Amino acid sequence: GQNIDQPTEMTATEGAIVQINCTYQTSGFNGLFWYQQHAGEAPTFLSYNVLDGLEEKGRFSSFLSRSKGYSYLLLKELQMKDSASYLCASMDSNYQLIWGAGTKLIIKP
Amino acid sequence: GAVVSQHPSWVICKSGTSVKIECRSLDFQATTMFWYRQFPKQSLMLMATSNEGSKATYEQGVEKDKFLINHASLTLSTLTVTSAHPEDSSFYICSAATGTSSYNEQFFGPGTRLTVL
Repeated sequence: GQNIDQPTEMTATEGAIVQINCTYQTSGFNGLFWYQQHAGEAPTFLSYNVLDGLEEKGRFSSFLSRSKGYSYLLLKELQMKDSASYLCASMDSNYQLIWGAGTKLIIKP
Repeated sequence: GAVVSQHPSWVICKSGTSVKIECRSLDFQATTMFWYRQFPKQSLMLMATSNEGSKATYEQGVEKDKFLINHASLTLSTLTVTSAHPEDSSFYICSAATGTSSYNEQFFGPGTRLTVL
């Protein structure tokens, strides 16, 4: 079957670093996406990984291990505006996205 | 970047009426458009996938006669919720894929919040 797991909620402190993990089981894997979604808004694209390794983009980095079915999103120098839900989604052989339930990230001052 | 718009952004309607939601790709041609529904504190649920000029493919459990999807052009898809009921109240989001990138990234519209009284 196809499945995505990520923590329901995480709390971190402003200025700190947080890592949001995601494990997946997808038939015919075609890449792993991370999206950010603020309450009441549509998701916005953060990153895409299809090869093993770390992709860095400013304060955000995303890592993928295909052999382990594992990805993480790393957020550095956290800001209050980073409080949002972070959605992990894998793309299957039909180029359909399989969505995780999202991780609600709470940033405290 | 690719921009997708939705109209209306929010709508309140009476039970039993029909509501049409438009999804437009503003600066690119979308070979495929997706319709999602999201209930509070839940993940996006794919409702259907539509390709321009062909019938939409609905996910299991989604009533195709209730949620009518039309993808008449490469820049416009519409979702009509027919005979809406309070349980249809949700956040409806469309996304569009160009089909030109190697990974078919989806670009999301801002969403439409539907409240059925």
